[in-house]
Amino acid sequence: RKEVEQDPGPFNVPEGATVAFNCTYSNSASQSFFWYRQDCRKEPKLLMSVYSSGNEDGRFTAQLNRASQYISLLIRDSKLSDSATYLCVVRRMDSSYKLIFGSGTRLLVRP
Amino acid sequence: DAGVIQSPRHEVTEMGQEVTLRCKPISGHDYLFWYRQTMMRGLELLIYFNNNVPIDDSGMPEDRFSAKMPNASFSTLKIQPSEPRDSAVYFCASERVGNTIYFGEGSWLTVV
Repeated sequence: RKEVEQDPGPFNVPEGATVAFNCTYSNSASQSFFWYRQDCRKEPKLLMSVYSSGNEDGRFTAQLNRASQYISLLIRDSKLSDSATYLCVVRRMDSSYKLIFGSGTRLLVRP
Repeated sequence: DAGVIQSPRHEVTEMGQEVTLRCKPISGHDYLFWYRQTMMRGLELLIYFNNNVPIDDSGMPEDRFSAKMPNASFSTLKIQPSEPRDSAVYFCASERVGNTIYFGEGSWLTVV
């Protein structure tokens, strides 16, 4: 079983739709959580960090449930430019300093 | 400020040849990571360095892979001999502890 699991999608939604991605992690020692965005044939880039209390950045809302080891990303009012792969990322709270990436969820926003 | 710089951007090589990928991290960053990305396996951590010292190389697939960081501004990932299954995008990334990790644009490797 992978340490970070995501639904690969693709999620195909119309412009303006609200879409949610989920992610589960198996290592309870995970400390920090992030969502990265990766465009086709590009490098991953940080979208937002995920805090225990939940946090929002414009149209994007991230939630963390430590008890269930579950992370979510909500995108409201989807834009064509939101089409990308969204990577769930965790960092462990142990002697390692590894960032562990999920395989990503692909989002396609259509006109 | 320049980002993480990787070279070559694209390489096509024949099976059995040696491949050397290069990375210049962002100045002042004390962590350097090498990742490999394929469709089948996603983004995998191969090895990472802290202050030029290799900390964890458990992700290196086999002895054909080696990585070095002779100084704070340069790292190499070497594959010798290369095989078709090594075809992937290899990303280098760097980070100042407690801050955001930044990726280079990747080296696209095809082994035929």
